Amino acid sequence: QKEVEQNSGPLSVPEGAIASLNCTYSDRGSQSFFWYRQYSGKSPELIMSIYSNGDKEDGRFTAQLNKASQYVSLLIRDSQPSDSATYLCKNSGGSNYKLTFGKGTLLTVNP
Amino acid sequence: SAVISQKPSRDICQRGTSLTIQCQVDSQVTMMFWYRQQPGQSLTLIATANQGSEATYESGFVIDKFPISRPNLTFSTLTVSNMSPEDSSIYLCSVSQGGNEQFFGPGTRLTVL
Repeated sequence: QKEVEQNSGPLSVPEGAIASLNCTYSDRGSQSFFWYRQYSGKSPELIMSIYSNGDKEDGRFTAQLNKASQYVSLLIRDSQPSDSATYLCKNSGGSNYKLTFGKGTLLTVNP
Repeated sequence: SAVISQKPSRDICQRGTSLTIQCQVDSQVTMMFWYRQQPGQSLTLIATANQGSEATYESGFVIDKFPISRPNLTFSTLTVSNMSPEDSSIYLCSVSQGGNEQFFGPGTRLTVL
């Protein structure tokens, strides 16, 4: 089993809708979770980090962490065409210290 | 966040040659990493560059093919040796402080003919 699994996508949503991106992980000892956004032809940029169970909101972005179920999600409210990108999740810490990225989910927001 | 620069930004190389990619950070960082990303694919970690000691390579990557240097806490190089077309990819330098948040350089786009 891969350490980090993301919903495969691609995901297409209309402008103004909520985009939901999900990620599951296998290492129960994982301490930190991150969401990165990567525009085509660009390098990944960190957009959200979450360390404890529950929700963390930053503008239109909400990260949700459920350690018991071993999943982390990213919600993008009022999606904009500029949100169209590949979103990567990552965990770190845990028993096997490794900076593991998921394969990414391509999100397209249609005007 | 750290400001990371990479040189060159892109290159076209002949089969059998080697290319050294430089990564410079504007502040001292604990950890530096080298990733490869092929078109439409996710990030693949090549190795962790350790300051003052040999790099730690991931499965499938070896020092002879990807020698790495890290002479100090702000600089690292990755060499792609004896290149073949399969080495065509984007190579990304990344840094982290304490293994938490991670930041990426702009990448080096390598094409091997």
